[in-house]
Amino acid sequence: SQQGEEDPQALSIQEGENATMNCSYKTSINNLQWYRQNSGRGLVHLILIRSNEREKHSGRLRVTLDTSKKSSSLLITASRAADTASYFCATDGNGGATNKLIFGTGTLLAVQP
Amino acid sequence: DGGITQSPKYLFRKEGQNVTLSCEQNLNHDAMYWYRQDPGQGLRLIYYSQIVNDFQKGDIAEGYSVSREKKESFPLTVTSAQKNPTAFYLCASGLTGRGSPLHFGNGTRLTVT
Repeated sequence: SQQGEEDPQALSIQEGENATMNCSYKTSINNLQWYRQNSGRGLVHLILIRSNEREKHSGRLRVTLDTSKKSSSLLITASRAADTASYFCATDGNGGATNKLIFGTGTLLAVQP
Repeated sequence: DGGITQSPKYLFRKEGQNVTLSCEQNLNHDAMYWYRQDPGQGLRLIYYSQIVNDFQKGDIAEGYSVSREKKESFPLTVTSAQKNPTAFYLCASGLTGRGSPLHFGNGTRLTVT
């Protein structure tokens, strides 16, 4: 069953603007991850935030996590046309000892040059 | 270069035929996964394996079968029992720890007519 739900489903911005995507999930987690997928390609891991962390940065990416609201956000600053892709959050849910990631439905980001 | 390779990139089959999708990794990962992606949806887990000669069903295993005879290889067979086989199939590998990031192949797009 799907655990993560991204919002918005699609986002179109101009180059240089910031892009914010949100993810909500349903059960307790150990960590939450964000992935990027270019059209017709596999997913690429971007960043992982643990349940005891509130914010994490990696280059132009900033991720926040609010476990009380079961939500996360991904901020891409100073966007570029090359950032055009789909972005997915993934949680480890209640998979016990196994690594079963559950992916959301994704946000399609279009950055206009 | 270490990575995960899926072949072929595109596959066409007639209804009623079984088809096998290849997935090979040289990342020395113990865990491997098969996901299915349909338009506008996230990834759904078909099967996963944490060790050679062992695998478990995911959320949508019906109509699919796998084998894990070697650490590097995790082929997926889409059988004629799968009612809607046309989809984008993604293979991934990773460490076995809960919530470990996954490395994805570039997918196989299967079209069944």
